[in-house]
Amino acid sequence: AQRVTQPEKLLSVFKGAPVELKCNYSYSGSPELFWYVQYSRQRLQLLLRHISRESIKGFTADLNKGETSFHLKKPFAQEEDSAMYYCAPRYSGGGADGLTFGKGTHLIIQP
Amino acid sequence: DGGITQSPKYLFRKEGQNVTLSCEQNLNHDAMYWYRQDPGQGLRLIYYSQIVNDFQKGDIAEGYSVSREKKESFPLTVTSAQKNPTAFYLCASSIIRGQSPNTEAFFGQGTRLTVV
Repeated sequence: AQRVTQPEKLLSVFKGAPVELKCNYSYSGSPELFWYVQYSRQRLQLLLRHISRESIKGFTADLNKGETSFHLKKPFAQEEDSAMYYCAPRYSGGGADGLTFGKGTHLIIQP
Repeated sequence: DGGITQSPKYLFRKEGQNVTLSCEQNLNHDAMYWYRQDPGQGLRLIYYSQIVNDFQKGDIAEGYSVSREKKESFPLTVTSAQKNPTAFYLCASSIIRGQSPNTEAFFGQGTRLTVV
């Protein structure tokens, strides 16, 4: 079965500190990798995808195929970054069209 | 205004009753999904569909049923057989992987179901 692991259920950092949300996935072919975010009282939405190599709201995520990781990073956290974050590899040929989600990390940015 | 819409936002049900949650999308997506979101458990897949008149069970399908009579619609019925139905339910849609490089999932705003 395809798997994705987000080891931290809860991560609390102070404003201005660096943030890293970890994600490891099981290797199976070449999954597409995504991070989704859910702010309070808002719908779950895409934050960024590895194929675009983009930086969104100061967040970046580097795909490390050797470690099968896709950690999300931001050098200086802001209070508005407080939210639930889900790592989501998308595999080909898997169930549900390969759309799987980690259990999520609740990020809290303290003032 | 393109998007995916779930209704109602809040739903209350008496024990022993079936209830149907609505999900509609106008994004022309082939794939639609239902997830259940519980604290600390992430998103767990209930059912998914990749084409009209076809759907597959996810990881926690017991006590739920779906239909896909139209491309735009994928309603979920929570039956009385579901032992712990109180939860937040999310519907999503996407293109099928391989149809385009842009395969992100789009989510509805969710339905919070409470059994009273």
